[in-house]
Amino acid sequence: QKEVEQNSGPLSVPEGAIASLNCTYSDRGSQSFFWYRQYSGKSPELIMFIYSNGDKEDGRFTAQLNKASQYVSLLIRDSQPSDSATYLCAVHTGGGNKLTFGTGTQLKVEL
Amino acid sequence: DVKVTQSSRYLVKRTGEKVFLECVQDMDHENMFWYRQDPGLGLRLIYFSYDVKMKEKGDIPEGYSVSREKKERFSLILESASTNQTSMYLCASSLRFVLAGGRGEQYFGPGTRLTVT
Repeated sequence: QKEVEQNSGPLSVPEGAIASLNCTYSDRGSQSFFWYRQYSGKSPELIMFIYSNGDKEDGRFTAQLNKASQYVSLLIRDSQPSDSATYLCAVHTGGGNKLTFGTGTQLKVEL
Repeated sequence: DVKVTQSSRYLVKRTGEKVFLECVQDMDHENMFWYRQDPGLGLRLIYFSYDVKMKEKGDIPEGYSVSREKKERFSLILESASTNQTSMYLCASSLRFVLAGGRGEQYFGPGTRLTVT
């Protein structure tokens, strides 16, 4: 069983719409949650992190965490073609120094 | 800003060659990581180091070794390159969790696309 699961997509949304990306994780002891954006041929770039239940907003991005249901999501408002990328969810499990990554969701924002 | 650099963006090597990939970070991070990324398989951890001269195997260490002689530098070595090691190699670094104020976030270098022919 995968420890961090994401729908691989592609998720297609029209320009200006809200894109919703979801991630579930299996380890209830997980403490920190991260979203990375990866453009084709490039390395992952950290865009959001969340540690507490609820919402965290940063510009057009909102991360949502529900530890009871073991999911974390990323909302992108007013989606732009430049948001087209693969989004990786990563989870830190307490006690260690490693992250467990999902395989990513490909987002396509269409004109 | 955290900066992680890798020695090459693109590398072409022949089967059986010894290959060195170098990674340098400038943020005094304790942890450094080597991943490979292949289509459909996501990021897979090869090795990680939590201190100078300390290393720990990741999920796919076979065919690889690492060296960390200085805090800022972490090298990945392919002892005898094979075609199945053709991949994108990514280095990352992070602060030690909680003890050094880190929450686990990792910062990645630009990657090295290695082709073994």
